[in-house]
Amino acid sequence: EDQVTQSPEALRLQEGESSSLNCSYTVSGLRGLFWYRQDPGKGPEFLFTLYSAGEEKEKERLKATLTKKESFLHITAPKPEDSATYLCAVQAAQGAQKLVFGQGTRLTINP
Amino acid sequence: KAGVTQTPRYLIKTRGQQVTLSCSPISGHRSVSWYQQTPGQGLQFLFEYFSETQRNKGNFPGRFSGRQFSNSRSEMNVSTLELGDSALYLCASSSVGGGETQYFGPGTRLLVL
Repeated sequence: EDQVTQSPEALRLQEGESSSLNCSYTVSGLRGLFWYRQDPGKGPEFLFTLYSAGEEKEKERLKATLTKKESFLHITAPKPEDSATYLCAVQAAQGAQKLVFGQGTRLTINP
Repeated sequence: KAGVTQTPRYLIKTRGQQVTLSCSPISGHRSVSWYQQTPGQGLQFLFEYFSETQRNKGNFPGRFSGRQFSNSRSEMNVSTLELGDSALYLCASSSVGGGETQYFGPGTRLLVL
């Protein structure tokens, strides 16, 4: 069964303090790994898609990387507006559009 | 381009009733997926429709059903509501399917009393 585990569950940082969020996965043939950001009461907002080990994608203060077993979301010099829940999801080769999500990491950036 | 829209945004029902939720995908997108989000279980896949056909279904009881129309708009229906059906129901659309990025709507918050 496809599975995604995110750590830590919650992370509190000071503004400007860089860190990384982890997403470990097991999937029968990875078609894609997706990162989303979700604010309270809203739908997930797309951040990145990674397709193969070694791939990296960057957007503003965020950088996502992928290995054969895990993905990292690195956040550099975060600002309070980066506070949100970050969700990781995988799509299996045989699962059509089905995404399997982790439980998310709740990130809080204090000014 | 307008994003994914969902109606209604909030809904209160009582046990035993049924409910229909609607989703309009991004223009040009033909795949629509539905997810249920609860604090305990997180985001769970309900089903996916592509060109009016259900392509995949999650592990939910038969009370949960859906359909897709020729204009790609989709509806999901929950019959005989239970308290545990209280959740945020999210719809996501993608252009073709199979590795394409899914874009989510704002969700419908359902409360069952």
